[in-house]
Amino acid sequence: EDKVVQSPLSLVVHEGDTVTLNCSYEVTNFRSLLWYKQEKKAPTFLFMLTSSGIEKKSGRLSSILDKKELFSILNITATQTGDSAVYLCAHPLSGTYKYIFGTGTRLKVLA
Amino acid sequence: DTGVSQDPRHKITKRGQNVTFRCDPISEHNRLYWYRQTLGQGPEFLTYFQNEAQLEKSRLLSDRFSAERPKGSFSTLEIQRTEQGDSAMYLCASSAGFENSPLHFGNGTRLTVT
Repeated sequence: EDKVVQSPLSLVVHEGDTVTLNCSYEVTNFRSLLWYKQEKKAPTFLFMLTSSGIEKKSGRLSSILDKKELFSILNITATQTGDSAVYLCAHPLSGTYKYIFGTGTRLKVLA
Repeated sequence: DTGVSQDPRHKITKRGQNVTFRCDPISEHNRLYWYRQTLGQGPEFLTYFQNEAQLEKSRLLSDRFSAERPKGSFSTLEIQRTEQGDSAMYLCASSAGFENSPLHFGNGTRLTVT
């Protein structure tokens, strides 16, 4: 059965540190993998990785997809307190547009 | 683009009462999703629509839950005979109709059942 597993569950770092968040997935027919940032309310979209776009970057955030090993990582460099949030990854189930989410990684950045 | 909007933001109800939530998606988006999220968990899929058609409903969802999307625009999620276990954040999301279009979430409705 398709599933998404994120690690670590939580992480505490100091400002300026670099963090790597992991998302492993099992899916019969890969189409895309999405990363979201959730602060207090709605998850906000960060990146979508597909077979034709396995690496994305936006400012201090970047993400890569390893289709062979079935995982993705989200890197945040020079972390700031504003990066404190839950980071979620998700993918659509085979043959549908139903997205399933991992449990998320809770990141806390200390000043 | 005004984003996905949900109403109400908070709802407190007594066990056994019915509640209804509303979601207005981004106007040009034809897919609409409902998710439920509890503390420390990722969003859990409830159901989704393409236009007015409800294409899938979670097997975990009891018959007390029903969703509609008349005319393919806004959607409502109703929970009948609420139970304390229904307390959660109910998130609505929408997406455009093309392949690999991401979900865009509203701010959610937080339900507390006392």
